[in-house]
Amino acid sequence: ELKVEQNPLFLSMQEGKNYTIYCNYSTTSDRLYWYRQDPGKSLESLFVLLSNGAVKQEGRLMASLDTKARLSTLHITAAVHDLSATYFCAVDPAGAGGTSYGKLTFGQGTILTVHP
Amino acid sequence: EPEVTQTPSHQVTQMGQEVILRCVPISNHLYFYWYRQILGQKVEFLVSFYNNEISEKSEIFDDQFSVERPDGSNFTLKIRSTKLEDSAMYFCASSNQWVDSEPQHFGDGTRLSIL
Repeated sequence: ELKVEQNPLFLSMQEGKNYTIYCNYSTTSDRLYWYRQDPGKSLESLFVLLSNGAVKQEGRLMASLDTKARLSTLHITAAVHDLSATYFCAVDPAGAGGTSYGKLTFGQGTILTVHP
Repeated sequence: EPEVTQTPSHQVTQMGQEVILRCVPISNHLYFYWYRQILGQKVEFLVSFYNNEISEKSEIFDDQFSVERPDGSNFTLKIRSTKLEDSAMYFCASSNQWVDSEPQHFGDGTRLSIL
């Protein structure tokens, strides 16, 4: 069974600081996604990472994927209050043991709070 | 920008009753999914659907659950006899998996409350 673990689960940051959220997963995969969720809202896609060494950046967020280490990171640069949300990584075990695409396994989520 | 729409936004139902949650996926997408999120917990996969049949389902998706694409636009999740533990937010998602870089697009969800 695929396990996806994020840490930390809770992150309280000051504005202007940098931090990294980690996402470890337990089986071979070359598809990893990062989503953002605001309270009571849907999941908004942030990044799609499809290969080893993939790096994507959007504004103050940068995501990377190391498929050998089964690790993805979401790095926050100079945090601002608007980044406060819950961040999920999700892994698609596509291709591993014949599993079909699309069955995403999510991490527990990291609740990020950015303080002035 | 096209989006996935779900109705109703909130459904309150007595235990044992049947409930149908409705979704309109993005029009050119071919793959459809249901997920649920119990309050404060992570998002869990329920089922995927392609070419008018279930592609994959999780252990949660037992005989009480069914999915259907009754016409060219709607995608529904039916729970036949609801239990208290079915209370959760249910998300519909769709994707165009022929495009590698395409994520699954999620709707705003239906909050299901079982009394």
